[in-house]
Amino acid sequence: ETGVTQSPTHLIKTRGQQVTLRCSSQSGHNTVSWYQQALGQGPQFIFQYYREEENGRGNFPPRFSGLQFPNYSSELNVNALELDDSALYLCASSLAGIVSGNTIYFGEGSWLTVV
Amino acid sequence: SQKIEQNSEALNIQEGKTATLTCNYTNYSPAYLQWYRQDPGRGPVFLLLIRENEKEKRKERLKVTFDTTLKQSLFHITASQPADSATYLCAREGADGLTFGKGTHLIIQP
Repeated sequence: ETGVTQSPTHLIKTRGQQVTLRCSSQSGHNTVSWYQQALGQGPQFIFQYYREEENGRGNFPPRFSGLQFPNYSSELNVNALELDDSALYLCASSLAGIVSGNTIYFGEGSWLTVV
Repeated sequence: SQKIEQNSEALNIQEGKTATLTCNYTNYSPAYLQWYRQDPGRGPVFLLLIRENEKEKRKERLKVTFDTTLKQSLFHITASQPADSATYLCAREGADGLTFGKGTHLIIQP
């Protein structure tokens, strides 16, 4: 158990719809990041939040957005869903920001299928 | 941009032998390289981190090396067991988060 919980675990959406995925960080962790993992691929970095501010972003379009709340929980929102958005979405939490060398803990992920 | 390359083909090892997985990176040496284990349908689990100035790191049956000349990290599992069967991911930590390789699927045969 990593202490990082994600919801929902599985969901199916229709192309063009919007989705919100949620993440509860490990207690005390102020940094949360989101990754997209397609089948057979490694996770791809979407963005990272440190103390409620986005402080790093990967090569994803603006329709991928996020929030971090004062209790350090987080949301990932994806608008105008496309078929290629079907993937496992992973949330990860850690203490302190980018390039810290601190252990990063991943949740079990949310499986999104877009039809 | 920096790439992390792993042999994504399955690696079959006999139980009890040492499994060795390879991670190569391009361009500059990352400050840290990390190794994760991922089971089917689960999130990655952190195993080991090795810093650029460390040659070797050990944890129980696991050993990681970092060779900045070869631009390579090796991950070893000694006395391998069927329970070690999983996908192993190598990642470097940078300003753009973790950059992962595709992972190597390790199968330990009894």
